[in-house]
This record gives sequence, structure tokens and C-alpha cells, in this order.
Amino acid sequence: KQEVTQIPAALSVPEGENLVLNCSFTDSAIYNLQWFRQDPGKGLTSLLLIQSSQREQTSGRLNASLDKSSGRSTLYIAASQPGDSATYLCAVRPSNTGGFKTIFGAGTRLFVKA
Amino acid sequence: DTEVTQTPKHLVMGMTNKKSLKCEQHMGHRAMYWYKQKAKKPPELMFVYSYEKLSINESVPSRFSPECPNSSLLNLHLHALQPEDSALYLCASSQGQGPYNEQFFGPGTRLTVL
Repeated sequence: KQEVTQIPAALSVPEGENLVLNCSFTDSAIYNLQWFRQDPGKGLTSLLLIQSSQREQTSGRLNASLDKSSGRSTLYIAASQPGDSATYLCAVRPSNTGGFKTIFGAGTRLFVKA
Repeated sequence: DTEVTQTPKHLVMGMTNKKSLKCEQHMGHRAMYWYKQKAKKPPELMFVYSYEKLSINESVPSRFSPECPNSSLLNLHLHALQPEDSALYLCASSQGQGPYNEQFFGPGTRLTVL
């Protein structure tokens, strides 16, 4: 059974710092991995989608990497800003369950101090 | 337009009420999803519709009844709910299933059952 773990559960950093959020998954049979951002009480905003054949994706100050064989992904945020404060969720789409299911990690709550 | 809309934003209902949540997307996506999210937990998949047919029902109690009237609309009919059903209900859509399908989420409906 696929399990997704995110470490750390919470993180507080000063503004301007570069930071890395970690995501690990137990079964490498995935179609893709998606990183989301969620503000309190709001929906999820898609940040980056990495296909299983890809190693990384970049969007602005965000860079996500994927090592499928070791079951790991990282989300790198450069020059963090207070507006980056949110919960970051990673989610994998298993390739052995019909292609619709998505398994989420519990998230990392990020607080960027001004 | 990469927007998924949900109405209402907030809903308070008694245990004997009947209400409906609505979700709409105009991205031409053929897969639509309902998720339930409790506070500080990741979203949990409830239902998936593909080409307007129910593809996945994650053993959800029958007091939740999904409906997909057309390819752009997804409803969730609620009846005889329990206080523990209070949660954020999220709708999502994707172009299809499998590897190339990024999920886009709506802002959610905050449901409180008294």
C-alpha cells in the first residue's frame, strides 16, 4: 500500500532563506508526483507536476526534483518570502490503481518570518 | 481558464436537512473528483467521475450521493449527515487519468453539521 510521508511537519524560517521540503513514498510505481500549496481554509493550488520519467521541474523560485527509484522528492524554495507561508502538500498518483487515485502526504506547514 | 468553482463557500445544516454542493469547471476536463478534508489532515478521496460515469467510490456512506449531470458539473447531495461529517469538501478536475493529468482544485465548501 502506497504511503506518502512529508518531513518536517512544520518549519519556521526567516525571510530570504532558501529551504527544502521533503516528500517520500513507499512504492515507486507512480505516474507522477504533484506539489500543492494550501492556505488555511482554502483549496489546493497546484505548484509543480513531475512525471515519473522526469527528474525535475522548475517554476519561478520553485524547483521540484524526483528520484523515483529511492522514493523521494524535494521542493526547493529560493529566497523565501512571508507570502510563501502556507501548507505544502505532495501527492503521488499510483500507476497500479487505475490512474485516478491520488495519495497525499500530511503536509509541511511553512512559516516565513518577516 | 484553469479555474474550478464551488458553491456555496460555507454551509451550515442540521442532521435532518437535505442540501447540495456544486462544482463547475470549463477546462474541458473529463475527470472530476470529490475530496473530504478534516482540519490539519490531507484530503481524502471520496468519488471520481470519468466521462460522466462514476469510476471510484471509496466506500463513502450513502448519506453522500454524487451526481454528474454533464461534463462540466459535479454535485454532491447531502442527507441525514452527522456532526463528524463537518469538514472542507474539495472538488477537483483533471483532463483524464494516468500520467499526464494535473489535478486542479476548487476553493472548497466549508460544511458544518449541527
